[in-house]
Amino acid sequence: SQQGEEDPQALSIQEGENATMNCSYKTSINNLQWYRQNSGRGLVHLILIRSNEREKHSGRLRVTLDTSKKSSSLLITASRAADTASYFCALGFNSGNTPLVFGKGTRLSVIA
Amino acid sequence: EAQVTQNPRYLITVTGKKLTVTCSQNMNHEYMSWYRQDPGLGLRQIYYSMNVEVTDKGDVPEGYKVSRKEKRNFPLILESPSPNQTSLYFCASSQGLAGVAIQYFGAGTRLSVL
Repeated sequence: SQQGEEDPQALSIQEGENATMNCSYKTSINNLQWYRQNSGRGLVHLILIRSNEREKHSGRLRVTLDTSKKSSSLLITASRAADTASYFCALGFNSGNTPLVFGKGTRLSVIA
Repeated sequence: EAQVTQNPRYLITVTGKKLTVTCSQNMNHEYMSWYRQDPGLGLRQIYYSMNVEVTDKGDVPEGYKVSRKEKRNFPLILESPSPNQTSLYFCASSQGLAGVAIQYFGAGTRLSVL
């Protein structure tokens, strides 16, 4: 399967704690993207990391990519209640014609 | 404001009654696509379009049609809806090919087919 697999499926933490979610995959990729989805709403792009990059930051978000292990992690530091959402990794492949393939997501709950 | 607009947001219909979900983007994006999202299955691509008059099937195209007569619009057509098409639908667009570009999503259309 080309689909990424997020782990854990669900995560519940207290406000102020860090949240880490992982994405593993099986095939070579051109890039990996992370998206957030608030309940029943559209997905919002968070970060794109290319296969030749190892780490990227955006505000409280840090994404790492290890192509040798075929895995990526998304770290949200100092979580807030507003971070409660589902987070999806999406795989982009070397052929630009191939659409992004989304995983099934990690459901994050941040408790105030 | 850059956005992807879907209409309607909610739709309840009956089996066999043709319907169209509209999608419009104001970012002059070449690439547009439709996804459906179902519990436990994640997002699955239905159809995509790389430019005007160029469309192709995604992973789950059965029972759906699309057209791309204008760059900004990409309607999804269900000629004869069935209950297994009850789902949450998203339209998305990107500048450049989907595999390497950031996708911008609409707010979603929740469809119930009775």
